[in-house]
Amino acid sequence: AQKVTQAQTEISVVEKEDVTLDCVYETRDTTYYLFWYKQPPSGELVFLIRRNSFDEQNEISGRYSWNFQKSTSSFNFTITASQVVDSAVYFCALSSTNFGNEKLTFGTGTRLTIIP
Amino acid sequence: AAGVIQSPRHLIKEKRETATLKCYPIPRHDTVYWYQQGPGQDPQFLISFYEKMQSDKGSIPDRFSAQQFSDYHSELNMSSLELGDSALYFCASSLKRGAGLDTQYFGPGTRLTVL
Repeated sequence: AQKVTQAQTEISVVEKEDVTLDCVYETRDTTYYLFWYKQPPSGELVFLIRRNSFDEQNEISGRYSWNFQKSTSSFNFTITASQVVDSAVYFCALSSTNFGNEKLTFGTGTRLTIIP
Repeated sequence: AAGVIQSPRHLIKEKRETATLKCYPIPRHDTVYWYQQGPGQDPQFLISFYEKMQSDKGSIPDRFSAQQFSDYHSELNMSSLELGDSALYFCASSLKRGAGLDTQYFGPGTRLTVL
């Protein structure tokens, strides 16, 4: 069975501060994908990143960066110089690479509030 | 770029009524997924279709059924609605490249309220 844990239920930071959202996962699959999705107050789910289990390189996209550590089964997400528009619920998710079993297993989400 | 289209965006039904949710995947995407997100919860997988065939099934109630049509759009049919069915229903689509897996892109969701 797959499981994703986001221990931080809610985080509030002042604008321009850096913030890291934690994600820990469990899976028996040898290959898998990890994802981050953003759900703003408007409700849609916005794809942010996909990481293959065999690629442990960290990734940076503008103010966003992701740290994947297979040894600790973690896939953490850092927002640098946070902005009010970053306020949202962020979901970490996991899927198998096996055909017919690609459903996403989500964590419970972290509600991030950026205070102006 | 074209995104996943879901209709209707909002739906209000009475208990025991029937509802049909529609999903139009991103053009050329061959796989559709349905998820249910209750208030304050994470999305839960319901069912998926690949090339018009059911490919995986999650915790979908027997009162719900779904299918994918020849034009790849999908419909989720919900009967004997219960108060607990009130939720945000997402459709996502992806393109499988051979034996690989592409990213699931989500539609805006259909908010179902059962009174």
